[in-house]
Amino acid sequence: AQKVTQAQTEISVVEKEDVTLDCVYETRDTTYYLFWYKQPPSGELVFLIRRNSFDEQNEISGRYSWNFQKSTSSFNFTITASQVVDSAVYFCALSEKSSNDYKLSFGAGTTVTVRA
Amino acid sequence: DTEVTQTPKHLVMGMTNKKSLKCEQHMGHRAMYWYKQKAKKPPELMFVYSYEKLSINESVPSRFSPECPNSSLLNLHLHALQPEDSALYLCASSQVRGGDYGYTFGSGTRLTVV
Repeated sequence: AQKVTQAQTEISVVEKEDVTLDCVYETRDTTYYLFWYKQPPSGELVFLIRRNSFDEQNEISGRYSWNFQKSTSSFNFTITASQVVDSAVYFCALSEKSSNDYKLSFGAGTTVTVRA
Repeated sequence: DTEVTQTPKHLVMGMTNKKSLKCEQHMGHRAMYWYKQKAKKPPELMFVYSYEKLSINESVPSRFSPECPNSSLLNLHLHALQPEDSALYLCASSQVRGGDYGYTFGSGTRLTVV
């Protein structure tokens, strides 16, 4: 069963537009961790944010902001005033206990294209 | 040192070859992971090692054989691969309770099986 669902497969915007990426997760654990990663065309996974299940405080980092709502199992990501350098695939991920250890499972990803 | 280093960056191998992928970290992390990522897909977990012991194997075919010789090094031995095994192979490391302190990923090995 899909643990992390990213509703948008692709989003295309013009520079300076805002972009919101949706992420819905599913878990039975009370302790879990949520992440967002950016993967540019070069392939490396760039860590953006980590949030644990007990911390519902929203966060802003420069042009990036995150909205965590446990009641709806969502962890959405907004890029404000997008730039061409924001073009990448963005993955939402869930880390939860599984048998002997923790597993990090990724959503399908959202490809963001920012046009000049 | 806050990096996970993977070598080689690119690898082309025939279906009868034996090769190995290497992953190294010096952050004192005691959990290490192998992920496989096909084009336009998310990374998929293959193996988890905690304290140098295999703790999770996601039903990976035996032609992929992981090895963790010490706490800093993780290898993935490849033998008799198929063209469909061509992918980006990512290594990651973390504190044992992965979510507490996050995961650090290497830049990957792009594998092509011919």
